Amino acid sequence: GAVVSQHPSRVICKSGTSVKIECRSLDFQATTMFWYRQFPKKSLMLMATSNEGSKATYEQGVEKDKFLINHASLTLSTLTVTSAHPEDSSFYICSARGGSNDEQYFGPGTRLTVT
Amino acid sequence: TQLLEQSPQFLSIQEGENLTVYCNSSSVFSSLQWYRQEPGEGPVLLVTVVTGGEVKKLKRLTFQFGDARKDSSLHITAAQTGDTGLYLCAGNTPLVFGKGTRLSVIA
Repeated sequence: GAVVSQHPSRVICKSGTSVKIECRSLDFQATTMFWYRQFPKKSLMLMATSNEGSKATYEQGVEKDKFLINHASLTLSTLTVTSAHPEDSSFYICSARGGSNDEQYFGPGTRLTVT
Repeated sequence: TQLLEQSPQFLSIQEGENLTVYCNSSSVFSSLQWYRQEPGEGPVLLVTVVTGGEVKKLKRLTFQFGDARKDSSLHITAAQTGDTGLYLCAGNTPLVFGKGTRLSVIA
């Protein structure tokens, strides 16, 4: 099946700093990528949808200036958490849609801890 | 936004038992997907159901899509400890998820 990677898998940063998370579709071109957030013992919540070369569409309640999304190519999207605070600590999962079945494939997630 | 309700939220059973988890909505879905997620990992797709009334089997797992395409169920026969995990149903584009059923199978 199609493979989606994320980097880093884990990151710890200090409050007030910014963190960038990369999401790559390894063997297919993804016209659309999605970013989800998952709190401990909770389900995945969609944060935003991004199409290559255009601005991301954010879900209600998600601050676009806080969570910067860039989808510069058909295989790469980045999520930057700006001026991170402890409440931003979470598991961030990206997803890419594409491939022969045009399905949505998920990355392994990035565990962000803000101290 | 079409909401998906999953039940039960938590389930703890002995190895060898059977179980069913449910995914319900008041809305019609063109398709529903079931995922399994282990701690610290992304969700892994188990199955996609598309046709109302459809039944799909994946070894000991049986998935059913309701006739009206508003609900789905996942039945596991003779559960094993390796089945432990978070089971999520999802639908729509982009995918939105139910709250999940956290299954714990005890040896």
